[in-house]
Amino acid sequence: EIVLTQSPGTLSLSPGERATLSCRASQSVSSSYFAWYRQKPGQAPRLLIYGTSNRATGIPDRFSGTGSWTDFTLTISRLEPEDVAVYYCHYYGSSPYTFGQGTTLEIK
Amino acid sequence: QVQLVESGGGVVRPGGSLRLSCAASGFSFNDHGMHWVRQAPGKGLQWVAVIWYDGSNKFHADALGGRFTISRDNSNNILYLQMSSLTVEDTAVYFCARDSGRGFTGHVIDSWGQGTLVSVSS
Repeated sequence: EIVLTQSPGTLSLSPGERATLSCRASQSVSSSYFAWYRQKPGQAPRLLIYGTSNRATGIPDRFSGTGSWTDFTLTISRLEPEDVAVYYCHYYGSSPYTFGQGTTLEIK
Repeated sequence: QVQLVESGGGVVRPGGSLRLSCAASGFSFNDHGMHWVRQAPGKGLQWVAVIWYDGSNKFHADALGGRFTISRDNSNNILYLQMSSLTVEDTAVYFCARDSGRGFTGHVIDSWGQGTLVSVSS
């Protein structure tokens, strides 16, 4: 089973700043099957990025994903108050599907 | 647009059983694999199970110990999760989610329902 470890646990930044969220896999994985989700308080998760770097429908270009092998990154540029959420990385290239434990993004 | 509406959650005693349902609309249900993902209170996401578009294959998280079974009714566009021998550790919001493909690995979960809460308590 692929274990995904996200860092940091909590990130507190100001509006307009850039957020960098990391996810490390316990073994090398295919970048074709790596995704990021955002879960706002009280809501269901929403797909942001799939295939490491492809934005899902309706996701603004402030969100970008990079990575390969074991290390993957979600970058949110020009933070807005509405970006407050928990962000999860996810690997869907093998069963069991796995999620990271989440990074909480706070806006000061 | 894609709509996934879960139902069937509630309070159940330890050792009990429950069946969750997910009514799907807004897309061709029998062309997509479907998943259940759960989230314990204040915790992260845990994948539970996936079923292929035609129901021919299904996979469950090993950690569930064979207590949960995913199924689907393509005639009525409904996804199910039968849960048995429930423990307090099964307390969670259970999300129904659509696979962007037919359920084979390699396709991302692209849509989620709002979830239904299962509370296991004596």
